[in-house]
Amino acid sequence: GIQVEQSPPDLILQEGANSTLRCNFSDSVNNLQWFHQNPWGQLINLFYIPSGTKQNGRLSATTVATERYSLLYISSSQTTDSGVYFCAVEDQKSSGDKLTFGTGTRLAVRP
Amino acid sequence: DTEVTQTPKHLVMGMTNKKSLKCEQHMGHRAMYWYKQKAKKPPELMFVYSYEKLSINESVPSRFSPECPNSSLLNLHLHALQPEDSALYLCASSRTGALNTEAFFGQGTRLTVV
Repeated sequence: GIQVEQSPPDLILQEGANSTLRCNFSDSVNNLQWFHQNPWGQLINLFYIPSGTKQNGRLSATTVATERYSLLYISSSQTTDSGVYFCAVEDQKSSGDKLTFGTGTRLAVRP
Repeated sequence: DTEVTQTPKHLVMGMTNKKSLKCEQHMGHRAMYWYKQKAKKPPELMFVYSYEKLSINESVPSRFSPECPNSSLLNLHLHALQPEDSALYLCASSRTGALNTEAFFGQGTRLTVV
């Protein structure tokens, strides 16, 4: 099946710093989403971005489908940004409906 | 409204108990999912229902039994679980069973098997 690797695995930032999280995937995808998992386990939708660039406030994301990667940018980080960030993809070759999650990036933002 | 509601939020059960997890959405989505997440790991797909029919079973043990009574509800029946089944169980839904649709997740049920 498709492999989805995220980097870095762990990241510590000082409040106000910027960061870039990366998601690499091993095959062509129909669907790519970025999620933030808060300390209570809730997966919060950040972006639905199978290709192109989107921005939402301090967050933006870019997916280059032909090169099989996506980037999540966090600017002016806040302590509430702490948690785990996952990308999840739907393999073009799959029978459909199957989101495969990446390995995750655990982010801690210090005040 | 992009809400998926799961109950209960926490569950402790013995290995001989029978319990059920519930999931509900009112977004008109026709695909619903169960995922299992162990600590410090990504969620892993268990089951997919598309138009109320089971379309994917990721070789899940029979002690987990899914049920989709209608397009808004998804249940996961639990019986004779093992301590290693303790995990966060997440429900999700998406617009249709087709490709290129965004999935929305519930808050999860944190299950402990004793």
